[in-house]
Amino acid sequence: SAVISQKPSRDICQRGTSLTIQCQVDSQVTMMFWYRQQPGQSLTLIATANQGSEATYESGFVIDKFPISRPNLTFSTLTVSNMSPEDSSIYLCSVGGGLRGLANNEQFFGPGTRLTVL
Amino acid sequence: GDSVTQMEGPVTLSEEAFLTINCTYTATGYPSLFWYVQYPGEGLQLLLKATKADDKGSNKGFEATYRKETTSFHLEKGSVQVSDSAVYFCALRPTQGGSEKLVFGKGMKLTVNP
Repeated sequence: SAVISQKPSRDICQRGTSLTIQCQVDSQVTMMFWYRQQPGQSLTLIATANQGSEATYESGFVIDKFPISRPNLTFSTLTVSNMSPEDSSIYLCSVGGGLRGLANNEQFFGPGTRLTVL
Repeated sequence: GDSVTQMEGPVTLSEEAFLTINCTYTATGYPSLFWYVQYPGEGLQLLLKATKADDKGSNKGFEATYRKETTSFHLEKGSVQVSDSAVYFCALRPTQGGSEKLVFGKGMKLTVNP
């Protein structure tokens, strides 16, 4: 398995500000993903973070709102821009893709970042 | 599109009770199926998986069998413990499109009382 850390673990932010969440993995991985878990809801994929190219966004999510960086095979950031209370969620990073002992089809998740927007 | 429907809770059981959490899916082809668990205050962990029809995934006393004919992947445990209190998510990975993304059910919160 992979060890994944996220920073910050939680934050309380004001409306209109932006927050950048970091995801660090202890080994090189092909795929990194960002999910959102709204209160009482399931996880929804925001985007796939591609190393060396732009992220691939799911329907309903746009780069201007959720810019993503993936500078190397162990690190990614997600920014939640111009926040509103509707952005209050847990944001999770996950990794997968068959490198370094991760079996195909498996994804491992970080501990999440709990964001509250006032 | 692809989707997962699972039993919604919350559910409260006594220790040593039998647990079943129903999960059905809609997908083309043969998706891979997963159960993830989220313990209080922790991140999501892979509990078990099955990648083809009739496969049985098992871990920590939990089992689930990939049933293509009923498009189901129900999670079972014969005797739950207090430490099994968590939120359980059923998920699938579609086979088409080459995507690695996971599609999740809504999750079910389980509380096990001593």
